[in-house]
Amino acid sequence: NAGVTQTPKFRILKIGQSMTLQCTQDMNHNYMYWYRQDPGMGLKLIYYSVGAGITDKGEVPNGYNVSRSTTEDFPLRLELAAPSQTSVYFCASSYSGQPPVPQHFGDGTRLSIL
Amino acid sequence: GENVEQHPSTLSVQEGDSAVIKCTYSDSASNYFPWYKQELGKRPQLIIDIRSNVGEKKDQRIAVTLNKTAKHFSLHITETQPEDSAVYFCAAYSGAGSYQLTFGKGTKLSVIP
Repeated sequence: NAGVTQTPKFRILKIGQSMTLQCTQDMNHNYMYWYRQDPGMGLKLIYYSVGAGITDKGEVPNGYNVSRSTTEDFPLRLELAAPSQTSVYFCASSYSGQPPVPQHFGDGTRLSIL
Repeated sequence: GENVEQHPSTLSVQEGDSAVIKCTYSDSASNYFPWYKQELGKRPQLIIDIRSNVGEKKDQRIAVTLNKTAKHFSLHITETQPEDSAVYFCAAYSGAGSYQLTFGKGTKLSVIP
């Protein structure tokens, strides 16, 4: 099994550009999450999903959008990229059991906004 | 909302010694406390967790303890090895209201051979 797969691994964007970070999992997990990790800081939740068609905001959702059309895929969209969105982005998934916390992470996407 | 404080921010130990990382939380509704290990440039890994109805949990060389009254929990690593070198994050989950898993800022553990 591949687990949680994120693409791309690295990306440089110019201010104002848009992009989609891809995330897919092959474990049939219902819960999926997007986190950002800034240097020296813990993980902050951007968005999460409890199943196909259901998404909700996390702690830092501004400037991002998500969709969950299938159980496997949970893409993160950045609109009008800003320097403050320079970060490492992790996608994660977990079983439906309680409590729903991330159990499996992808390798991350290092994003720089210049 | 929940606030999780983690100490120390850096910790160096000699190989074979024990390491202890401590976290405090503010929300009495928090009932689940996972710990994650993140090696340099790698993904976080869930290594152990504890629920609020349990005081201690062990898994080989690692253990977690929870004091609900004082609202603090700790990670203990015994017989440390160089491969234990990583950043460790504690977190607290509160099921009250909307989804809430709050992370500490991390402890960088260095095990000196």
